[in-house]
Amino acid sequence: SSELTQDPAVSVALGQTVRITCQGDSLRNYYANWYQQKPGQAPVLLIYGKNNRPSGIPDRFSGSRSGNTTSLTITGAQAEDEADYYCNSRDSSDNHVVFGGGTKLTVL
Amino acid sequence: EVQLVQSGAEVKKPGKSLKISCKGSGYSFTSYWIAWVRQMPGKGLQWMAIIHPDDSDTRYSPSFQGQVTLSVDKSISTAYLQWSSLKASDTAIYYCARLWGPLDTSGMVFDIWGQGTMVTVFS
Repeated sequence: SSELTQDPAVSVALGQTVRITCQGDSLRNYYANWYQQKPGQAPVLLIYGKNNRPSGIPDRFSGSRSGNTTSLTITGAQAEDEADYYCNSRDSSDNHVVFGGGTKLTVL
Repeated sequence: EVQLVQSGAEVKKPGKSLKISCKGSGYSFTSYWIAWVRQMPGKGLQWMAIIHPDDSDTRYSPSFQGQVTLSVDKSISTAYLQWSSLKASDTAIYYCARLWGPLDTSGMVFDIWGQGTMVTVFS
């Protein structure tokens, strides 16, 4: 089965731009999706497919892909963006699901 | 409102059985796959398995095959996750989540999540 690799922790100054990455072989063929999870809450879908945002997600969140790496970019990070971020995708070998290990974002 | 509502927190002893639930509302329950995702204390998300409520077609992650059982009662729009013999290592929050799109062509997008069920197993 495939794996998705994320940096465990990333920090960004308030109002600045930050990129959170997700790397894996399956991402050469499939887009990754991004979820935000705040402490004590369920994950929330943030970005899916090429670069789609569900209704209600601010446009400061965007997604992109290059080779086997998918990135989540937050342009103008806000204090409320401090959370854990997870990517997921289809496993390249079968109809299974794979999640990245998660990235803890700190907004300074 | 489209939502998944899960059953409440459970505290069980090792070796006991347990069945937790996930009730869908606000949409056609039988039209979307339902997945279960584990989150152990302080850890990340792990996909466990997925079930289609219409025909109970089920796929398990190799890591959870034989460890848990998925089922569904479509008459009450409810999916279940059960254990026959709990272990301390089953202590975690379990989320159900709705898959957006057909499984075979899906980008594995989970658009609706339940609030989570905390399962604590200790002697």
